[in-house]
Amino acid sequence: GENVGLHLPTLSVQEGDNSIINCAYSNSASDYFIWYKQESGKGPQFIIDIRSNMDKRQGQRVTVLLNKTVKHLSLQIAATQPGDSAVYFCAETYNNNDMRFGAGTRLTVKP
Amino acid sequence: NAGVMQNPRHLVRRRGQEARLRCSPMKGHSHVYWYRQLPEEGLKFMVYLQKENIIDESGMPKERFSAEFPKEGPSILRIQQVVRGDSAAYFCASSPQGKTEAFFGQGTRLTVV
Repeated sequence: GENVGLHLPTLSVQEGDNSIINCAYSNSASDYFIWYKQESGKGPQFIIDIRSNMDKRQGQRVTVLLNKTVKHLSLQIAATQPGDSAVYFCAETYNNNDMRFGAGTRLTVKP
Repeated sequence: NAGVMQNPRHLVRRRGQEARLRCSPMKGHSHVYWYRQLPEEGLKFMVYLQKENIIDESGMPKERFSAEFPKEGPSILRIQQVVRGDSAAYFCASSPQGKTEAFFGQGTRLTVV
């Protein structure tokens, strides 16, 4: 289900390092997943998506990994930059096209 | 092609008043989602609509809340007789079809005083 009402876990990384943000999803029937980035005071912004017939997808500096066996998603950000500081959410889509979000992780990049 | 437009950006209502939040999806998008977010928390699903139809409203409180997405015009999230606990940011997202990239608006921040 949705993890709301909990304060956000945080991840702090050094500028230039790689970041890995994890997400556990709830529904084994979900077949489409999205990672969003949300900066303070703004709406979520699409980063990358993946369908359940894939286990890895790469974008510019980002990679999403999907492990359906354990219902786990991860977002890897290469060479993390200060502009990457934000809250990151994963979303899963159910059979009826509902889109539900995980709890989110706050990423802080130290210069 | 303008993005998802939400208005107003900020809305202040006194307890007992009505709040109407508007969401204009991107051109050609017929799927709209509404979410509620408290500070430092996640996005809680409220309702999913397609043109003129409510597909899933399982996240909506049973009373005082309603949503519509008419054939013409924006999607509306309506909160009647607002209470302090309704204060939150409300985001909508739109997509051209299910299971594709959904784009978010900048949100409406509702404050109930």
